Amino acid sequence: EIVMTQSPATLSVSPGERATLSCRASQSVSGNLAWYQQKPGQAPRLLMYDAFIRATGIPGRFSGSGSGTEFTLTISSLQSEDLAVYYCQQYTEWPLTFGGGTKVEIK
Amino acid sequence: EVQLLESGGGLVQPGGSLRLSCAASGFTFSSHAMDWVRQAPGRGLEWISAISDTGGKTYYGDSVRGRFTISRDNSKTTVYLQMNSLRADDTAVYYCAKGGGAALTSWGQGTLVTVSS
Repeated sequence: EIVMTQSPATLSVSPGERATLSCRASQSVSGNLAWYQQKPGQAPRLLMYDAFIRATGIPGRFSGSGSGTEFTLTISSLQSEDLAVYYCQQYTEWPLTFGGGTKVEIK
Repeated sequence: EVQLLESGGGLVQPGGSLRLSCAASGFTFSSHAMDWVRQAPGRGLEWISAISDTGGKTYYGDSVRGRFTISRDNSKTTVYLQMNSLRADDTAVYYCAKGGGAALTSWGQGTLVTVSS
């Protein structure tokens, strides 16, 4: 199976600053990569799909990039409501696999 | 608005069985594949199963293959997860999601399954 590795495990960022989250795949997933946001006590929510396309209703401060094995989720200006764990997920082959998550804290 | 409502969770003894249901609304259910994803307490997300729009194809993660069975009833717009031979490490919140081999575009709120004696 394709192993997804996220870094860092925890990211502490001041409001208004940029947050950069990384996701690496153990083999190429092409552009078949999604990002999810899970706020405390809530179900996950789709943020990005196909590596760089924002899901419906997602603010423009979220952007995704990358292809193959290296991907990045950027929050251009962190807001307090962005406190959450962020997961990447590949869907290029079965089984679908998630990364271990990056917890974004507000400094 | 897409709505997914899971039910059927609860406390079960090791070796026991449980059937989860996910009632869907707000979209053409019969045109979409569906998934189950779980999250153990304090842990990350684990995809466990998916079913095609017609139900003709099913997929499983290694941790549940042979013990869990996914199915659907398009007339009831409901997807099911039959869980047998449950173990302590199956304890988790189980989420139903709309997707199936792609990004999971909508998620339910989850149902908690606790396997303990």
